[in-house]
Amino acid sequence: DAGVTQSPTHLIKTRGQQVTLRCSPISGHKSVSWYQQVLGQGPQFIFQYYEKEERGRGNFPDRFSARQFPNYSSELNVNALLLGDSALYLCASSLATGPNEKLFFGSGTQLSVL
Amino acid sequence: GDSVTQMEGPVTLSEEAFLTINCTYTATGYPSLFWYVQYPGEGLQLLLKATKADDKGSNKGFEATYRKETTSFHLEKGSVQVSDSAVYFCALSEGGGFKTIFGAGTRLFVKA
Repeated sequence: DAGVTQSPTHLIKTRGQQVTLRCSPISGHKSVSWYQQVLGQGPQFIFQYYEKEERGRGNFPDRFSARQFPNYSSELNVNALLLGDSALYLCASSLATGPNEKLFFGSGTQLSVL
Repeated sequence: GDSVTQMEGPVTLSEEAFLTINCTYTATGYPSLFWYVQYPGEGLQLLLKATKADDKGSNKGFEATYRKETTSFHLEKGSVQVSDSAVYFCALSEGGGFKTIFGAGTRLFVKA
């Protein structure tokens, strides 16, 4: 079975632009979470979606938005890009939501904002 | 708020040495605790977990015990291999379980 797939792998944007990152969860997984990982730091939680509804949001500005589709895939949108948005964006899927759920991570999208 | 603190790296060991990576946490309730590993060029993957006090998680020779009294979840391995070279992240999840909080990561280098 395929793991969590993310696209694109790498992306270069300029300040002020908008970007859309995509994630396909493992088949059968209904929850998708997004994390931002800045170089040298641990992943920071951005969003969780379960059954197409937002279940949680981290401490990120409103420029960040996401959605989950009926096939459980997800998109993360970032508007008005800033230099500080440069990071590895990770998508994780899980069967359900809950504190004991094992997260399965994709390899990430490396976003560079110039 | 909830947080995870782990020892800074890098940690450099010779093959077959004993490994300890310290992790302590702050949480308002009773979190589940995890160790994730990120091998070079690969995505994060779960190494082990423990869901309640005194539970021991284990996998691939790694162990960690959930210590509520010291709010710790230290990772140990008796004999490391070169293939264990990676970045290790301690993490917690609690309450609604909609988010996992990660530590900053500890990079491990194992020399042959």
